[in-house]
Amino acid sequence: GENVEQHPSTLSVQEGDSAVIKCTYSDSASNYFPWYKQELGKGPQLIIDIRSNVGEKKDQRIAVTLNKTAKHFSLHITETQPEDSAVYFCAASRAGGSYIPTFGRGTSLIVHP
Amino acid sequence: KAGVTQTPRYLIKTRGQQVTLSCSPISGHRSVSWYQQTPGQGLQFLFEYFSETQRNKGNFPGRFSGRQFSNSRSEMNVSTLELGDSALYLCASSPLDGAYEQYFGPGTRLTVT
Repeated sequence: GENVEQHPSTLSVQEGDSAVIKCTYSDSASNYFPWYKQELGKGPQLIIDIRSNVGEKKDQRIAVTLNKTAKHFSLHITETQPEDSAVYFCAASRAGGSYIPTFGRGTSLIVHP
Repeated sequence: KAGVTQTPRYLIKTRGQQVTLSCSPISGHRSVSWYQQTPGQGLQFLFEYFSETQRNKGNFPGRFSGRQFSNSRSEMNVSTLELGDSALYLCASSPLDGAYEQYFGPGTRLTVT
């Protein structure tokens, strides 16, 4: 089955710095890669996703890149703010009838004011 | 639109008891998935329902079961509770067949004593 590795497990940055979280996956058939942000006491919130026919996607301060050959994808957050502090999860799946997503173990991002 | 709602938000049960958790998806969403989240195992897929049919099931024992009603609302049941079942149970809904974007509820925190 699919295996998703996520690094680092903890990331501490100063406000205004950039943050990068990386994930690797094992199943070359995976074609949908979402990123979620989970704040304390809440469920994960979809913040950005990318499909295998695209190499990069941006949404304001957030961007995701995908390298299908190397089977890795990354989340980039620029100009970090204290409200970006949360746990971030990556996931990989084959979008379609047999959808069973595999999640990374999460990255705790701490943004110091 | 209202988001995914889950009830109850918190639950305390004793070993050997059973529990039923409820999830109401976003209006118009027909796919509902359930996940278990624990510090040790992370986010793990339980099962997915679409149009009242279980389409996919994760690697959990038969004590975990679910169903979906004609209005897309879903319930999951855990029988003969064990201490290891203590977790945050998350429900996610998706508008599309094949479950691309998923939207999570706040979860039900189950504690088994």
